[in-house]
Amino acid sequence: QLQLQESGPRLVKPSETLSLTCTVSGGSISSGSYFWGWIRQPPGKGLEWIASIYYSGSTYYNPSLKSRVTISVDRSKNQFSLRLNSVTAADTAVYYCARVRMVNATEDFDHWGQGTLVTVSS
Amino acid sequence: DIQMTQSPSSLSASVGDRLTITCRASQSISTYLNWYRQKPGKAPKLLIYASSSLQSGVPPRFSGSGSGTDFTLTISSLQPEDFATYYCQQSHSSPFTFGPGTTVDLK
Repeated sequence: QLQLQESGPRLVKPSETLSLTCTVSGGSISSGSYFWGWIRQPPGKGLEWIASIYYSGSTYYNPSLKSRVTISVDRSKNQFSLRLNSVTAADTAVYYCARVRMVNATEDFDHWGQGTLVTVSS
Repeated sequence: DIQMTQSPSSLSASVGDRLTITCRASQSISTYLNWYRQKPGKAPKLLIYASSSLQSGVPPRFSGSGSGTDFTLTISSLQPEDFATYYCQQSHSSPFTFGPGTTVDLK
């Protein structure tokens, strides 16, 4: 059974870099049928897609965050990671990692991690 | 970016009720529309993909329809675990965008 688990600091200071890792178990991150992505949700608000990556390293980003975000993959560890720099209080959110399934030219988030709340505060 | 709207934003219902939630896209997205259910404190769960395809393991009381700009999610008989927030999401073009959510609570 596929599982995703986010890890990383829960508290980040303003202007610093938020770094999270998603560890995938029960399946290979190198499977050709999937991308891997990050989505966030500020407390009490809706969902925002951040970025996605293919095992080969191909990436695509939400333009609203692209200048501050890097997504990367480590196939040897079956992990992918998110870095968001120059954070502000507006980046406080639950961050989810998810598998992006590609089916008949459409894409969906079919497996999610449990999410981790990252707070930006001094 | 493609903007997604949902209606209603919230509704009250009882177990056994039939529910319909509407999602509208700011431009045509064909059938590139997914639905998720999110219980409080939990990650979203995929219910419907490609507008009308039921995700594996999801009960058949959930159904989806629509194409172009207008879509609906229907729950034929509301169960206790369905009191939650529902989100639509378009996968027609990047950036993927979600609707603002529809919260279903107990009447």
